[in-house]
Amino acid sequence: DVVLTQTPSTLSATIGQSVSISCRSSQSLLDSAGNTYLYWYLQRPGQSPQLLIYLVSNLGSGVPNRFSGSGSGTDFTLKISGVEAEDLGVYYCMQATHAPLTFGSGTKLEIK
Amino acid sequence: QVQLKESGPGLVQPSQTLSLTCTVSGFSLTSNSVHWVRQPPGKGLEWVGAIWSGGSTDYNSALKSRLSISRDTSKSQVFLKMNSLQTEDTAIYFCTQLPVYWGQGTLVTVSS
Repeated sequence: DVVLTQTPSTLSATIGQSVSISCRSSQSLLDSAGNTYLYWYLQRPGQSPQLLIYLVSNLGSGVPNRFSGSGSGTDFTLKISGVEAEDLGVYYCMQATHAPLTFGSGTKLEIK
Repeated sequence: QVQLKESGPGLVQPSQTLSLTCTVSGFSLTSNSVHWVRQPPGKGLEWVGAIWSGGSTDYNSALKSRLSISRDTSKSQVFLKMNSLQTEDTAIYFCTQLPVYWGQGTLVTVSS
């Protein structure tokens, strides 16, 4: 199975600070058709996961543009440019290139 | 709009069988896949399995021997059955039309 390693596991930020979360894959997530099925989610306390980024760098519907995704192959990054209070929660990366679908272990964002 | 809602018993005894139902609306099961994802309390997300638009299924290899996913397209329902439940199966179970739409989740506690 593909292992997704997220770092850091916990992140503490002040309002307005920019932060980045890394997601490294044990295998390349580029498929033979040239697609990379890497997604980012935010799970707020007590809620279901919400899609932030799909296919590495595409913003989900209704997601603020302070969120951005980048990367290729095995290394991916989620950046929040100017953290807001509503951004607290746990961030997960997910890959769907290789079966079975797998998730990273999560990064908890705390607001100072 | 797309909606998914999980239902089932909140409490299951060890060694018994879990039966969950996911009732969907706003899309057709014959055109879209539905996945099950679970989350032990305070822990990360784990993919459980999926039923694809054509009716075929895929399962997490660690759960495959205990798991069955089926559907009733006329009722827009997807079913999860897992036998020989143990305390480690205690989790919130989500059904989801990945990558965007998720149900609210249902907490299943395995305890005598």
